[in-house]
Amino acid sequence: AQKITQTQPGMFVQEKEAVTLDCTYDTSDPSYGLFWYKQPSSGEMIFLIYQGSYDQQNATEGRYSLNFQKARKSANLVISASQLGDSAMYFCAMEDSNYQLIWGAGTKLIIKP
Amino acid sequence: NAGVTQTPKFQVLKTGQSMTLQCAQDMNHNSMYWYRQDPGMGLRLIYYSASEGTTDKGEVPNGYNVSRLNKREFSLRLESAAPSQTSVYFCASSATSGGMRETQYFGPGTRLLVL
Repeated sequence: AQKITQTQPGMFVQEKEAVTLDCTYDTSDPSYGLFWYKQPSSGEMIFLIYQGSYDQQNATEGRYSLNFQKARKSANLVISASQLGDSAMYFCAMEDSNYQLIWGAGTKLIIKP
Repeated sequence: NAGVTQTPKFQVLKTGQSMTLQCAQDMNHNSMYWYRQDPGMGLRLIYYSASEGTTDKGEVPNGYNVSRLNKREFSLRLESAAPSQTSVYFCASSATSGGMRETQYFGPGTRLLVL
């Protein structure tokens, strides 16, 4: 069965440090997509970054990058130079062969000043 | 640019009451989705609509019905609310019904409490 695992329920990081949020996935489909979303305390879901299974390069969007290791089935989110506003829940999701998103349980990130 | 809107933002129901959650998008997206989010869990898909006129069950459809009223609007109905349906409900939309990289854009959510 397809599954997304986020092993870090919570993380504390000092402001301005880089942070890596882990995500592993399980699928037998050769074609899939991986997404990261941010959910601040206000509750909305904000799209951050996408990685396709056939993409040759790791995705980057500003301070966000995705460390995609296909053989290990991992798609870790890296946030460089963290800011107080990065404090939020972060969700990893995988688009399955039916074009539906399968979600991880999330990681709560707290940035300390 | 409103994106995806949901009403109401908050709702308290008694067990057995019914209600409809409304969702609308102004991005001309074909696909729309309803999720629920429970504490400590990721989102779970209730129903989705790949295109106007079609709806399909997701992971947790029991106790819910949906209507894709037109391309813009997708409503979720609870016919007889139960305490287990206490949750935060999100509506989302995406550009097309097929092909990868169909980023889903979310509404602000509806917090529902069933007593």
